[in-house]
Amino acid sequence: KQEVTQIPAALSVPEGENLVLNCSFTDSAIYNLQWFRQDPGKGLTSLLLIQSSQREQTSGRLNASLDKSSGRSTLYIAASQPGDSATYLCAVIGNTDKLIFGTGTRLQVFP
Amino acid sequence: EAQVTQNPRYLITVTGKKLTVTCSQNMNHEYMSWYRQDPGLGLRQIYYSMNVEVTDKGDVPEGYKVSRKEKRNFPLILESPSPNQTSLYFCASSLSRTGSYNEQFFGPGTRLTVL
Repeated sequence: KQEVTQIPAALSVPEGENLVLNCSFTDSAIYNLQWFRQDPGKGLTSLLLIQSSQREQTSGRLNASLDKSSGRSTLYIAASQPGDSATYLCAVIGNTDKLIFGTGTRLQVFP
Repeated sequence: EAQVTQNPRYLITVTGKKLTVTCSQNMNHEYMSWYRQDPGLGLRQIYYSMNVEVTDKGDVPEGYKVSRKEKRNFPLILESPSPNQTSLYFCASSLSRTGSYNEQFFGPGTRLTVL
């Protein structure tokens, strides 16, 4: 059974710092991995999708990497801003056709 | 604008009173699903649909029903809601069932409280 873990569970940093959020999964047979952002009480916004054949994806200040063989992904946030404060979720999809989510990393960036 | 919409966004109801949460997508996606999100448990899939008239159970289907009569709509039905169904519900859709490029798009969520 696929299990997805995110570390740390919470993170509080001053503005301007570069951050790394971690995601690990137990079954490497995945089709892709997706990173989401969730603001309090709101829906999920897709940030990046990494296909199983890819190593990384970039969007603006965000860079996500994928090491399928070791069951790990990282989300790198450069030059963090208070507007980055949210919960970040990673999720994998495999041959069961559904997303398996981690429990998230709650990020707070203070001015 | 490409999007997944849900209605209502907020709902307070009482035990046993049937309700329906609607979900609609305008992206011609084949795959649609429902999730619930609970503190400490994360997001769990309730039901999914691979195409019109094709639905199947997810991880936590008890107490829920779905239907997929049209490609764009995937309503979630609670025939007799109970307090343990108080949760934040999300509808999601993606282009196809499988494949490595299968980005999932989520609706804004429906916060349901069952008294």
